[in-house]
Amino acid sequence: GNSVTQMEGPVTLSEEAFLTINCTYTATGYPSLFWYVQYPGEGLQLLLKATKADDKGSNKGFEATYRKETTSFHLEKGSVQVSDSAVYFCALRSTNAGKSTFGDGTTLTVKP
Amino acid sequence: DTAVSQTPKYLVTQMGNDKSIKCEQNLGHDTMYWYKQDSKKFLKIMFSYNNKELIINETVPNRFSPKSPDKAHLNLHINSLELGDSAVYFCASSPATPYEQYFGPGTRLTVT
Repeated sequence: GNSVTQMEGPVTLSEEAFLTINCTYTATGYPSLFWYVQYPGEGLQLLLKATKADDKGSNKGFEATYRKETTSFHLEKGSVQVSDSAVYFCALRSTNAGKSTFGDGTTLTVKP
Repeated sequence: DTAVSQTPKYLVTQMGNDKSIKCEQNLGHDTMYWYKQDSKKFLKIMFSYNNKELIINETVPNRFSPKSPDKAHLNLHINSLELGDSAVYFCASSPATPYEQYFGPGTRLTVT
């Protein structure tokens, strides 16, 4: 079956530090890949996505590249802000699956 | 212009009671979901409906019963509430696979 493994947290960084949250997956076929962000007290919202190999998703300074050869979709940001403090979820969805598969979430705290 | 809404936002109740959570989406999506998020932020899918038909029913106690009166609504009824049911419950919707999901703001259920 499908699975998503993401870097364990929590992750604590200083403002303007570089962020990487690792995500690897196992799936049949050619899934779409997603990063969702959950700010405190809110629901998950889509941060970025990529639907095929070598696609790069980007939004709000965050980027992730769909790497089929390494089955990875690592999230990166060059300079984090306090407002980026949230829980980040990596997820995949296969074309023949009625549901998404989510990772366990990584809590990021950015200190001023 | 709320996309996915849930009521109530907070629900505090005693063990043994029966409660319902309502969800509505105005995005015109065919598929809706219920997720449970525990205190460690792990997200677990419970149910999924497509055009009012149940398509995913994960291993959930049969005290939980979803109902979809139309494709814009998916309600969750819980009988005989237990302490372990305390969690945040999220409703979500999506267009057909393999697209992203849109989440509601969550309902924090506390069973005392």
